Amino acid sequence: GAVVSQHPSWVICKSGTSVKIECRSLDFQATTMFWYRQFPKQSLMLMATSNEGSKATYEQGVEKDKFLINHASLTLSTLTVTSAHPEDSSFYICSASPGGTEAFFGQGTRLTVV
Amino acid sequence: LAKTTQPISMDSYEGQEVNITCSHNNIATNDYITWYQQFPSQGPRFIIQGYKTKVTNEVASLFIPADRKSSTLSLPRVSLSDTAVYYCLVVGNSGYSTLTFGKGTMLLVSP
Repeated sequence: GAVVSQHPSWVICKSGTSVKIECRSLDFQATTMFWYRQFPKQSLMLMATSNEGSKATYEQGVEKDKFLINHASLTLSTLTVTSAHPEDSSFYICSASPGGTEAFFGQGTRLTVV
Repeated sequence: LAKTTQPISMDSYEGQEVNITCSHNNIATNDYITWYQQFPSQGPRFIIQGYKTKVTNEVASLFIPADRKSSTLSLPRVSLSDTAVYYCLVVGNSGYSTLTFGKGTMLLVSP
């Protein structure tokens, strides 16, 4: 199947700093990308949906100024957690869709804010 | 957007067949049913997708009745490595506008 690569796999940062997570579709062009966060023993919570070249659509309750999403090309989307705080510690997962009914997920990024 | 309902958890033993049912009463005409598997600290992995009747691949079968208001994921002869969370999603075929997960089913396979 298609491959979505997410980087880094884990990151530890200090409170107040910003962290960037990359999501790449390696062998297809992703017209749509999705970003999720997942807390322990919970389901994936959709944060935002982005289409290449346009602004991301954020879910209710997700701060767009805190979670900056850039989908600059058909193979790359980035999520930047700005001014991170301990409560932002979570597992972040991206998904990419080439269109139609297919979607493929990255391996996730474990963010720990200390 | 069709909401899905699944059992929170299921238990099974190695070698048994496991059937996980998902309800999606508000499924739309152009919606497809997709199942994903997730292991701890990993992204979800695609298992199977279908629109109606039956779909089978090398790992699972998906049964969808005529009214499409539910679907059943069937895992033949499960092994310990099938212990995971299984998610049922309903997605439209006109391109993804959103991809929302329900609570999923935690399947525990014991020896």
